[in-house]
Order: sequence, then structure tokens, then C-alpha cells
Amino acid sequence: AQKITQTQPGMFVQEKEAVTLDCTYDTSDPSYGLFWYKQPSSGEMIFLIYQGSYDQQNATEGRYSLNFQKARKSANLVISASQLGDSAMYFCAMRGGGDKIIFGKGTRLHILP
Amino acid sequence: DAGVTQSPTHLIKTRGQHVTLRCSPISGHKSVSWYQQVLGQGPQFIFQYYEKEERGRGNFPDRFSARQFPNYSSELNVNALLLGDSALYLCASSFPTGSVGGETQYFGPGTRLLVL
Repeated sequence: AQKITQTQPGMFVQEKEAVTLDCTYDTSDPSYGLFWYKQPSSGEMIFLIYQGSYDQQNATEGRYSLNFQKARKSANLVISASQLGDSAMYFCAMRGGGDKIIFGKGTRLHILP
Repeated sequence: DAGVTQSPTHLIKTRGQHVTLRCSPISGHKSVSWYQQVLGQGPQFIFQYYEKEERGRGNFPDRFSARQFPNYSSELNVNALLLGDSALYLCASSFPTGSVGGETQYFGPGTRLLVL
């Protein structure tokens, strides 16, 4: 069975600091994709970054990077130079050989001025 | 380009009633998925449709059904509403990439359903 674990229910970070949001996963599928989404209080899920299981390099998208450690089954999101607008819920998700995406329980990130 | 749109944005129903939620995917996307997000939890997969065919179903009762139309828009129907059906219902669309796991889903703003 597939599973996503996010162990940080909430985090407080000073503005302009870097922040790492943890995500570990479990799957028996040899090929899978890992995603991070941001959900502001408005409710919309905003796609941030994608990492394929066979990708050799860590994915990066602007201030977002994914620290992919396949052997440890971890896919942490790193946000560099955090901004007040980064305050939101962040979800790690995985898609394997099936047709659904499994989400973690999320981490609420608070950026302090 | 327009993103995924959903209607209505908010809805209040009473127990036992029926509800229909609507979703229009991003232009060019042929796959639509539905998720239920209860307060404080991550989204839970309900259905995925591709080219009007059901491609996946989550662990939800038969009261939940969906369909996809020739223009790739979709409806989610929930019958005999229960208090526990109160949630944010999210629709996501995607364009098949051919690679397993590589299909990024883009979400709409959701429909907030309250069952009294």
C-alpha cells in the first residue's frame, strides 16, 4: 500500500530564512511521481514541484527545490528565502502505477515578519 | 489560459438531499479527478475519469458517482447526503504524459459543501 507521511503538523519560520518541509513515502511501485502542493486559506491546491522516481537530479522550480533521497524514501521540500506569502498548508503527494494521488496530512507553515 | 473551474463555490444542503458539483478542466486536458478534503486532512481521492471512462475509484460508498462529458467537463453527484459529507470537494485536471507517476494534476478552487 502507498503511504505519505508528513511529521511536522506546523512550523514557524522567520521571513527570508530557508525552510525544509519533511516528507517520507512508502510504495512498492518501481515507478512513481512525487509532488508538492501549496494550499492557502482560500482552499485552492497550487502545484509547486514534481519529482519522478527515475529522475537523476533533484527538481527545482524557482525558490522551491525537492531534496529527493530515493534510498531513504524521502522527498523534502526546500523553500529558499521565505516570504510572508509562503504562509499556507503544504501537502506532499505521490502517484504510482494506479490512477490516484495519495496526499499526506500536510504541514502548516507560518512565516513570521 | 483559464485554469480549472468549479461550481458552485459554496453549497448548503440538508441530510438526505442530493447534490451535483461541476468541474471544467483546463483546455486540452482530458482527465478529471475528484477529491474530498475534510477539515484538517489532506485530500482523499474519489474518482478519476479519462476520455469519459472511469479510470479509478477511491474508497467511497455508492452514494458517490461521477461522469465526464464529451467536452471533458465533469459532474460529481452525491446522494442521500450525510453530515460527514461536509467537506471541500476539489476537482483536478491533467494531460496524460505517458510516464507512470508523471501526470501532474492541476486543481480548481473547490466547492465547499456544508450538510446540516
